[in-house]
Amino acid sequence: EDQVTQSPEALRLQEGESSSLNCSYTVSGLRGLFWYRQDPGKGPEFLFTLYSAGEEKEKERLKATLTKKESFLHITAPKPEDSATYLCAVQAENYGQNFVFGPGTRLSVLP
Amino acid sequence: DSGVTQTPKHLITATGQRVTLRCSPRSGDLSVYWYQQSLDQGLQFLIQYYNGEERAKGNILERFSAQQFPDLHSELNLSSLELGDSALYFCASSVGAGTRETQYFGPGTRLLVL
Repeated sequence: EDQVTQSPEALRLQEGESSSLNCSYTVSGLRGLFWYRQDPGKGPEFLFTLYSAGEEKEKERLKATLTKKESFLHITAPKPEDSATYLCAVQAENYGQNFVFGPGTRLSVLP
Repeated sequence: DSGVTQTPKHLITATGQRVTLRCSPRSGDLSVYWYQQSLDQGLQFLIQYYNGEERAKGNILERFSAQQFPDLHSELNLSSLELGDSALYFCASSVGAGTRETQYFGPGTRLLVL
């Protein structure tokens, strides 16, 4: 069965303590993997799109990487304002252009 | 600000009632997507419209329907509401309808059914 999972479910970091979030997928014909950030009660905010294994994208303290089975979102020296839920979504050939979202990782960065 | 607007922001109604949620896509975007987000289900795709035509259906109940108008705004109609329909409803838009299109999300409508 095709699915998208994320780990950990929740993560608490001290300010400046780097870590990584994982998004694993089992789909056929990956077309794209998308990372979003969502603040409580708000709409998801687009961060990155990755299309092929080996690809990397960076933005400020965030870096996303992609392999054939998973993607990592690396957070370097996080700040309290990085606290949010991070969602990954997969677009695959058997879903057409539709997104399948993972359950998210709830990140808390403590000052 | 993604450029996608949704109204209303909050909606409180009773079981059995009908409501309409409205979405205006980003300027230039032809595709509109509707999602439901509840605490136990995460983000679930409901339906997509492209340039006025239904393009794809996800886990949308028969009590729910949507349409996209000539000016490209979209409405999601929810009828015979049940307590379990309480959720955040998001609209997203993208330029085209093909794969690899980034979807930009609106701020959502929070629906509470009492």
